[in-house]
Amino acid sequence: EVQLVQSGAEVKKPGESLKISCKGSGYSFTSYWIGWVRQMPGKGLEWVGIIYPGDSDTRYSPSFQGQVTISADKSISTAYLQWSSLKASDTAMYYCARRCGGNPSFDYWGQGTLVTVSS
Amino acid sequence: EIVLTQSPGTLSLSPGERATLSCRASQSVSSSYLAWYQQKPGQAPRLLIYGASSRATGIPDRFSGSGSGTDFTLTISRLEPEDFAVYYCQQYGTSPLYSFGQGTKLEIK
Repeated sequence: EVQLVQSGAEVKKPGESLKISCKGSGYSFTSYWIGWVRQMPGKGLEWVGIIYPGDSDTRYSPSFQGQVTISADKSISTAYLQWSSLKASDTAMYYCARRCGGNPSFDYWGQGTLVTVSS
Repeated sequence: EIVLTQSPGTLSLSPGERATLSCRASQSVSSSYLAWYQQKPGQAPRLLIYGASSRATGIPDRFSGSGSGTDFTLTISRLEPEDFAVYYCQQYGTSPLYSFGQGTKLEIK
């Protein structure tokens, strides 16, 4: 069974750093792109970026380029989304999702990680 | 940059009725690269339709997708109580690589 399990909720202060994770299982982790999607409170879905764990090829949305870093450790089938200096506006639910093999939609999703940034 | 505009913002219908949701793109989108998702409160999105008209695994056949170019439609033939949720369209393109519509909330009338 394909599963993406994300790390737990985080409460941070502005200026702090953070790295959240997404562990894949039940499939060949290195063969599928993993994307990250942001959902701010009460709002819609926004694409953050995507990584191919096989070779760490990474693409970012222009809106998030330079604001976050996406990485992956294929030895432990885990993708990451990290911030070096959080802002209150980073408060949101973050989902990871697996891109389908044969088309560019996202067929499996993690349960989401709620990030709250507040002083 | 391709912008997806969904309409209506909110759709109020009763169980058993037919729902028609629209997704309009600011530029032509390859049909292969248009998907629809359903999201219920407190849950992650779920893939319903990919390639504009192909149902994802396990999706009931009351859900169907159609369209091409800049106009795409998600149709739910007979609404079940569990279908009331928010629906998003999504495209894959050049820059940004992915984008989502703002969503349509399907609520019980």
